[in-house]
Amino acid sequence: SQQGEEDPQALSIQEGENATMNCSYKTSINNLQWYRQNSGRGLVHLILIRSNEREKHSGRLRVTLDTSKKSSSLLITASRAADTASYFCATALQNTGFQKLVFGTGTRLLVSP
Amino acid sequence: DADVTQTPRNRITKTGKRIMLECSQTKGHDRMYWYRQDPGLGLRLIYYSFDVKDINKGEISDGYSVSRQAQAKFSLSLESAIPNQTALYFCATRAGRGTGELFFGEGSRLTVL
Repeated sequence: SQQGEEDPQALSIQEGENATMNCSYKTSINNLQWYRQNSGRGLVHLILIRSNEREKHSGRLRVTLDTSKKSSSLLITASRAADTASYFCATALQNTGFQKLVFGTGTRLLVSP
Repeated sequence: DADVTQTPRNRITKTGKRIMLECSQTKGHDRMYWYRQDPGLGLRLIYYSFDVKDINKGEISDGYSVSRQAQAKFSLSLESAIPNQTALYFCATRAGRGTGELFFGEGSRLTVL
């Protein structure tokens, strides 16, 4: 089964609104990463948060991590139509020396003009 | 030129045929990965390699084999393709002592009839 699972599976909002997507995972991690994928394209790294961090910002992105609940959230503020994409979380697994990244099932975000 | 290049980008083949997907990178990374993406299942790890002599199975290695011909090249083979191997395949690289960020190719879409 997948290590990470995103919620919701799909999200539809208007431009200017905030988008929040969540990721839950099962085992101890070294870090958690978020990636973006435009339709049919390769994934692009957005942000990495380490297990000893609780919150991180990058531009309009804000990521939180709660290791006690094994969950993370990605907030995109003031969404734009260009943010339309699928978003995936990925976790580095402890039992691989944190060398293997396992991806969740993704959240499809649609931002309408 | 792209840092991680996959060939072919699209391939249609028939059941039982041998297929090779190739990946080359110019990032100088020692770690290379092959993922498979299916709708609703996210990305699943097929094989990964930490250097030319270190190759490891991922979650779904059955029916696949790999070859790390050089630090910059990592190929994925389907010895006898079957229809349920129809998917989008991604190669990714990572620096061994980096932050954990993966760099993805643009993907190889494989259809097995």
